[in-house]
Amino acid sequence: QKEVEQNSGPLSVPEGAIASLNCTYSDRVSQSFFWYRQYSGKSPELIMSIYSNGDKEDGRFTAQLNKASQYVSLLIRDSQPSDSATYLCAVKVRHGQNFVFGPGTRLSVLP
Amino acid sequence: NAGVTQTPKFQVLKTGQSMTLQCAQDMNHNSMYWYRQDPGMGLRLIYYSASEGTTDKGEVPNGYNVSRLNKREFSLRLESAAPSQTSVYFCASSEAFGTGTEKLFFGSGTQLSVL
Repeated sequence: QKEVEQNSGPLSVPEGAIASLNCTYSDRVSQSFFWYRQYSGKSPELIMSIYSNGDKEDGRFTAQLNKASQYVSLLIRDSQPSDSATYLCAVKVRHGQNFVFGPGTRLSVLP
Repeated sequence: NAGVTQTPKFQVLKTGQSMTLQCAQDMNHNSMYWYRQDPGMGLRLIYYSASEGTTDKGEVPNGYNVSRLNKREFSLRLESAAPSQTSVYFCASSEAFGTGTEKLFFGSGTQLSVL
């Protein structure tokens, strides 16, 4: 069983719409949650981190965490073609050495 | 700032050949990591170094060795390359290891093909 699961997509949304990316994880002791964006042929880049239940907003991005449901999501408001990328969910146990990454969701924002 | 620098960017090897991937960071981070990325499988940790002078195995260490040369540099060696090691390799660094809040900064990656 995969530890971090994401819908591989592609998820297609029109420009200006809200893109919703979802991630579920299996380890209940996971403490930290991250969203990385990866453009094709490039390296992952951190865009959001969240550590407690609820919402965290940063510009057009909102991360949502529900530890009881073992679910973390990323909302992108006013989606732009430049947001087209693969979004990786990563989960970490506080004292563990490893970030566990999901396989990523490919997002396509259509002009 | 350069951040995390990896070399080479591309490499083609024949089965059984050896090579070393180089990584250096200029952010004064204590921790460094080597990941591989395969389609549909996400990033998987090969080895990591929590601090200078220490290295530990990650999820998929077989067939690899590492050296933490100093605080800045962390190399990954393939002693006898196999086709299963065809992948994209990323070096990363972070601070605040083990706190749960550490954030990874990645190099630009090495695309390795083993024929």
